[in-house]
Amino acid sequence: ELQLVESGGGVVQPGGSLRLSCAAFGFRLDDYTMYWVRQAPGKGLEWVSLVNWDGGRAYYADPVKGRFTISRDNSKNSLYLQMNSLRTEDTALYYCVKDKWGSNGPFDYWGQGTLVTVSS
Amino acid sequence: QSTLTQPASVSGSPGQSITISCTGTSSDIGYNSVSWYQQYPGSAPKLIIYDVSDRPSGVSYRFSGSKSGNTASLTISGLQADDEADYYCSSYSTSRVMFGGGTKLTVL
Repeated sequence: ELQLVESGGGVVQPGGSLRLSCAAFGFRLDDYTMYWVRQAPGKGLEWVSLVNWDGGRAYYADPVKGRFTISRDNSKNSLYLQMNSLRTEDTALYYCVKDKWGSNGPFDYWGQGTLVTVSS
Repeated sequence: QSTLTQPASVSGSPGQSITISCTGTSSDIGYNSVSWYQQYPGSAPKLIIYDVSDRPSGVSYRFSGSKSGNTASLTISGLQADDEADYYCSSYSTSRVMFGGGTKLTVL
């Protein structure tokens, strides 16, 4: 069964760092572009970042550009998000998401999310 | 951050049909594909429409999608109580993914 399992969330002070991980099961990660999408409490979905199949191309939403870094280790079938200089507005549930075809969506599998809370 | 424009809420009675619109620009919806997601409280989103009008296996025929110019639409026919959820549209532009703000569907 295909599954995405996120980990690494927690409570961090403003200015701090966290590294999120996403382990993929039931499929080869290196066949697909992968994404991070977040959802602040009570709010809508917000795209955060994407990385192509081999990690050679990565793109970021403007609010996180220069602070977050997406990466992948296909040998471990895993995706990562390094988050630095965290702000209160980064508080959200972070989803690891798989592309259905290969790139540009749609998003056919979502993890259950890992909660990041930025608070002093 | 740019988002696609959806109505905040729609409602309908059981058995009726409703349509949710999603408006973008010629750079995203007008040029690229659109997908739709259903989300229940406390759960991850689920893909219900992709490539404007295709349904993944297992998604009810009552869900359909269309696009005209820079606006995409999701129609749910024969409304049922368990259709009550949040719905999001999505498209993409150069090196960027976009989501609509979400529409809360209430089944009266």
